[in-house]
Amino acid sequence: DAKTTQPNSMESNEEEPVHLPCNHSTISGTDYIHWYRQLPSQGPEYVIHGLTSNVNNRMASLAIAEDRKSSTLILHRATLRDAAVYYCILSSTTSGTYKYIFGTGTRLKVLA
Amino acid sequence: DTAVSQTPKYLVTQMGNDKSIKCEQNLGHDTMYWYKQDSKKFLKIMFSYNNKELIINETVPNRFSPKSPDKAHLNLHINSLELGDSAVYFCASSQSSGPPYEQYFGPGTRLTVT
Repeated sequence: DAKTTQPNSMESNEEEPVHLPCNHSTISGTDYIHWYRQLPSQGPEYVIHGLTSNVNNRMASLAIAEDRKSSTLILHRATLRDAAVYYCILSSTTSGTYKYIFGTGTRLKVLA
Repeated sequence: DTAVSQTPKYLVTQMGNDKSIKCEQNLGHDTMYWYKQDSKKFLKIMFSYNNKELIINETVPNRFSPKSPDKAHLNLHINSLELGDSAVYFCASSQSSGPPYEQYFGPGTRLTVT
């Protein structure tokens, strides 16, 4: 299975942009890149996903390297509510069935 | 209304016991999952069902048996519980089993085996 590598933790000041990196050098051509976040004592929640092109939604942006071996989740203005563990995930297929391969996650701390 | 619900939220039991965790989704989704999050917060897929059919069965001990009575429910039964089974178990659902479909996670069940 392809794997993802993320920094263990990052800090950001409130109201500033945050760039969360993820390396996935063994990604295959059919693997999608997903980001989920997990607030304390809650289940993971969807943030964004993409395959090859950069993606934007109301929560964040996803920048995918041209060779797809890395990606960056961008939170445009961090708030205290964004403090969470952010998981970079590959959805990998075996015989047409996809499953999520979770990374170890980056714990984001937002400073007031 | 809770989209994906799990019961119980906490489960404390002794080694050797048998226990079940229930999951229900009211989103009308076709696919449901069980994940295990260990003490180091590492999340790993255990099982997935699509329209009541098992489609993912990771290398999980056969003491773990999922059951999907209908599309809205996916239960997890664990026989002969061991200390290493202590973890948080998350149920999730998605519209379909393909990658573009967002997965919705339940609040988790914290299982402690003593």
